[in-house]
Amino acid sequence: AQSVSQHNHHVILSEAASLELGCNYSYGGTVNLFWYVQYPGQHLQLLLKYFSGDPLVKGIKGFEAEFIKSKFSFNLRKPSVQWSDTAEYFCAVNPYNTDKLIFGTGTRLQVFP
Amino acid sequence: ETGVTQTPRHLVMGMTNKKSLKCEQHLGHNAMYWYKQSAKKPLELMFVYNFKEQTENNSVPSRFSPECPNSSHLFLHLHTLQPEDSALYLCASSQASGTSGTGYQETQYFGPGTRLLVL
Repeated sequence: AQSVSQHNHHVILSEAASLELGCNYSYGGTVNLFWYVQYPGQHLQLLLKYFSGDPLVKGIKGFEAEFIKSKFSFNLRKPSVQWSDTAEYFCAVNPYNTDKLIFGTGTRLQVFP
Repeated sequence: ETGVTQTPRHLVMGMTNKKSLKCEQHLGHNAMYWYKQSAKKPLELMFVYNFKEQTENNSVPSRFSPECPNSSHLFLHLHTLQPEDSALYLCASSQASGTSGTGYQETQYFGPGTRLLVL
């Protein structure tokens, strides 16, 4: 079955530390990839997405993600986190030409000043 | 405020009750989605409507019945639910091109959710 794995369930960092959140998926075909974020008390919102082209995708608030097809991975990165990045982060995969969207279980990020 | 509203925000119902969740989007989108968010489980896509046509039913039990009367409104009718159906139900909308699989090319905007408790 198609699935998305986010191995880091809870990450705690100090401000200015670098961040990398892992995302791996199991699907052999073409996929579209997403990272969503949910800040405390706010709606789920899109952080960035990959459909085609440059595998290094830049999103809002200084986040980026790299699609490595051979590793079935789409890891999220930020060189220097801020306290305001405290949130839950979800990776999601859309198998091409379907309306399915499969989410990972999420990673809770806490950033301390 | 994302332009997607959901009512009610909280709902408590018994297993024999019938209730409906409502979602309305004010963004002019033509695709709408229902998701279920349970504790410690991945967010689950339940239903997708593109141009008022259901294009995805993710093996959802028949006690959940969606309805999309127009491109701005989406309902989720609930009947004879089980306690394990207690969860946060999220609605989202996006601009779809009408071709399956491209509804996600445009950003989905999520509503605040309805917190459902089934007793």
